[in-house]
Amino acid sequence: NAGVTQTPKFQVLKTGQSMTLQCAQDMNHNSMYWYRQDPGMGLRLIYYSASEGTTDKGEVPNGYNVSRLNKREFSLRLESAAPSQTSVYFCASTPGTAFYEQYFGPGTRLTVT
Amino acid sequence: SQQGEEDPQALSIQEGENATMNCSYKTSINNLQWYRQNSGRGLVHLILIRSNEREKHSGRLRVTLDTSKKSSSLLITASRAADTASYFCATGGFRDDKIIFGKGTRLHILP
Repeated sequence: NAGVTQTPKFQVLKTGQSMTLQCAQDMNHNSMYWYRQDPGMGLRLIYYSASEGTTDKGEVPNGYNVSRLNKREFSLRLESAAPSQTSVYFCASTPGTAFYEQYFGPGTRLTVT
Repeated sequence: SQQGEEDPQALSIQEGENATMNCSYKTSINNLQWYRQNSGRGLVHLILIRSNEREKHSGRLRVTLDTSKKSSSLLITASRAADTASYFCATGGFRDDKIIFGKGTRLHILP
């Protein structure tokens, strides 16, 4: 049981490049989330998917897109990376909504130069 | 905007002492959760307390919730070096599908 996995662990992009961060969970959870964590800012929600087939914006969605590929996988895409997107990105999943604990992946450290 | 706000932002105590962190929030909640994050790692869930509960224990952790004051506290008793980490509270609403994290308290246990 791997829990929540994220790839890649580290990435360096040049401004304007695109990339997709991958997230998968093997716990049969319904809801999945993408957060970014910046120094002194805590975790801020980018997008989430309450159930397969649905996605919703969080607090800081600009510059990002998501795809809930199936129940297991939830990807985050940066179409044209900007230095302001330098951050650590975490994926999380939960059995359902805000009434349950969240399980986090190990994170992806992204640097945009 | 962030719902929960932890206090203090940073805390250093001697090993063996108790550590107390507080979380205040603004709107009505269904539950409040506490998470730990070791440096460079993902968050790990510690404890969830529902709005109709006042206190909850898990090992050396004790969480209280006062909905009238919109605040919660996390007490870690008999601290150990391994407790050095950042601690975050997160609140869940009644109608939301998401929880909102505070900015965290950095706890440093001194040997």
